[in-house]
Amino acid sequence: AQTIHQWPVAEIKAVGSPLSLGCTIKGKSSPNLYWYWQATGGTLQQLFYSITVGQVESVVQLNLSASRPKDDQFILSTEKLLLSHSGFYLCAWRGYEQYFGPGTRLTVL
Amino acid sequence: GQQVQQSPASLVLQEGENAELQCNFSTSLNSMQWFYQRPGGSLVSLFYNPSGTKHSGRLTSTTVIKERRSSLHISSSQTTDSGTYLCALVTNAYKVIFGKGTHLHVLP
Repeated sequence: AQTIHQWPVAEIKAVGSPLSLGCTIKGKSSPNLYWYWQATGGTLQQLFYSITVGQVESVVQLNLSASRPKDDQFILSTEKLLLSHSGFYLCAWRGYEQYFGPGTRLTVL
Repeated sequence: GQQVQQSPASLVLQEGENAELQCNFSTSLNSMQWFYQRPGGSLVSLFYNPSGTKHSGRLTSTTVIKERRSSLHISSSQTTDSGTYLCALVTNAYKVIFGKGTHLHVLP
């Protein structure tokens, strides 16, 4: 069975500090991977997707970047956090349907 | 305009009543998926339903592509059904659009 692990579970960071969120998928070869973000009380928005190692496509510009260094790993990062980056981040892989990780709660102060 | 519209935005029911949640879309559909979002934010997949009708216990999902709509029916609602329900539209192989959600509250 496939599993999705996201880390960290939660982060509290200062404005202007760097950020790195991770996602690992086990049990699935060459998955299509996705990053989503949801502001508190807001709508889930797709940020990035990747269909292969080293290739990432941006869907929404939020001053964030993503990378796929390994087949089973997807990283979301920024060098300078903004207050508006606060929210809930979800990683997913998709075959026909989507399978989501448990998410990371980010608070930027 | 919004490509995916969920309705109603919120719904209050007495336990035992039925609920009908709608998702209307204005763009091409590759597939449709319904989720329950837990209070902490994580998602529980209810249905993957690109077309037709699917059943799971007290839940039924119906997607009619040519009418650009998908619905989630909850029969004999229970207090444990309370929460947020989301539809997610896949427009092509890689672009996904979520609805704003329906907040359901079932009273005992």
